[in-house]
Amino acid sequence: NAGVTQTPKFQVLKTGQSMTLQCAQDMNHNSMYWYRQDPGMGLRLIYYSASEGTTDKGEVPNGYNVSRLNKREFSLRLESAAPSQTSVYFCASSADRVSNQPQHFGDGTRLSIL
Amino acid sequence: EDQVTQSPEALRLQEGESSSLNCSYTVSGLRGLFWYRQDPGKGPEFLFTLYSAGEEKEKERLKATLTKKESFLHITAPKPEDSATYLCAVSRGLYNTDKLIFGTGTRLQVFP
Repeated sequence: NAGVTQTPKFQVLKTGQSMTLQCAQDMNHNSMYWYRQDPGMGLRLIYYSASEGTTDKGEVPNGYNVSRLNKREFSLRLESAAPSQTSVYFCASSADRVSNQPQHFGDGTRLSIL
Repeated sequence: EDQVTQSPEALRLQEGESSSLNCSYTVSGLRGLFWYRQDPGKGPEFLFTLYSAGEEKEKERLKATLTKKESFLHITAPKPEDSATYLCAVSRGLYNTDKLIFGTGTRLQVFP
């Protein structure tokens, strides 16, 4: 009963390094999302993918890129990490974009940029 | 501007002491309001969806209600295992209902 799986769980990077956060879901959902969560702020949408083969920017896309590898997998890439990107990153999935079904979340990746 | 505000930011309760958490919203065209529970070091876990004013949902000690301006999460006779941060989020618009606006959460601590 895995649901949404994120890897890695923790990561420390130096400024300027790059890395990719991985996300996979086993619920046969069409839509997937990347959020960041910072203290005192609500979850903010970085990028989303309505369906396999499509991606779009969310509220805070600068400094990030995404890839929807297939229906199950959606990755988030930081090309040149900055301290402002220190955050907890959550991946989520939902059945689709229009049926108003809840999003289901993974347990997050805690990322520190030094 | 669409906005979701949760209060209080933090709430400390004695075991068995019932209370309510508030989620007020100002959005155009509300399509749904979602409640989530988030434990430390974990992702948000879905609890309820409310779609229209007057609707109520219950699960164990939790009951969620919705009006045209706010939602309440009532916790009856809470136990220490109910300690968590509770998040609410709203969806709006006819299409693309998945662009949620999240509140900042209420951190609940229940003491034995």
